[in-house]
Amino acid sequence: DGGITQSPKYLFRKEGQNVTLSCEQNLNHDAMYWYRQDPGQGLRLIYYSQIVNDFQKGDIAEGYSVSREKKESFPLTVTSAQKNPTAFYLCASSIDLAGLDEQYFGPGTRLTVT
Amino acid sequence: QKEVEQNSGPLSVPEGAIASLNCTYSDRVSQSFFWYRQYSGKSPELIMSIYSNGDKEDGRFTAQLNKASQYVSLLIRDSQPSDSATYLCAVNLGSARQLTFGSGTQLTVLP
Repeated sequence: DGGITQSPKYLFRKEGQNVTLSCEQNLNHDAMYWYRQDPGQGLRLIYYSQIVNDFQKGDIAEGYSVSREKKESFPLTVTSAQKNPTAFYLCASSIDLAGLDEQYFGPGTRLTVT
Repeated sequence: QKEVEQNSGPLSVPEGAIASLNCTYSDRVSQSFFWYRQYSGKSPELIMSIYSNGDKEDGRFTAQLNKASQYVSLLIRDSQPSDSATYLCAVNLGSARQLTFGSGTQLTVLP
């Protein structure tokens, strides 16, 4: 089955702890993205990567870090510096085919920090 | 001024009616426009993409784009209760591969 997987589905952490969210895709997409969604709001871009070993900050990168060591994987670390980490985290991937660049989402990870 | 704006709703329509969802955006150079459907507690699902002015139809869904007015809409014909969800508009505002999302319109289709 081709698709995007995220794990875990639910994650609970204590304040002050770093936590890493997994995102894997087997669609052979070159670009991968991390978004955050808060209740009743749209998606906000945290980081994105268009090629291996390269990534760019999105609109709300503070308190987050990423790596892109493999084309298939784009893990997100939520650090203790992120002031309000409780949210729904969504990973997406895309491939540019003759100007058509559609993003597809994984199932998401719901993070709760107390 | 928000870059991508949608009416938050909620929007309620009776079963079988046409649901009309609207989205405006701020950047005239935007080239790609997308509609996602998001059920409660789930991730967004891409339902339509549109790149040229005019209408694009896919089954019961029609996307309409007017770049001069910076306006994109989604029409859902013969609405079903299973269409009840939040619909997110997404636009690439100048940057080729980044999308900016609206806050979504919550649609309820009443049986």
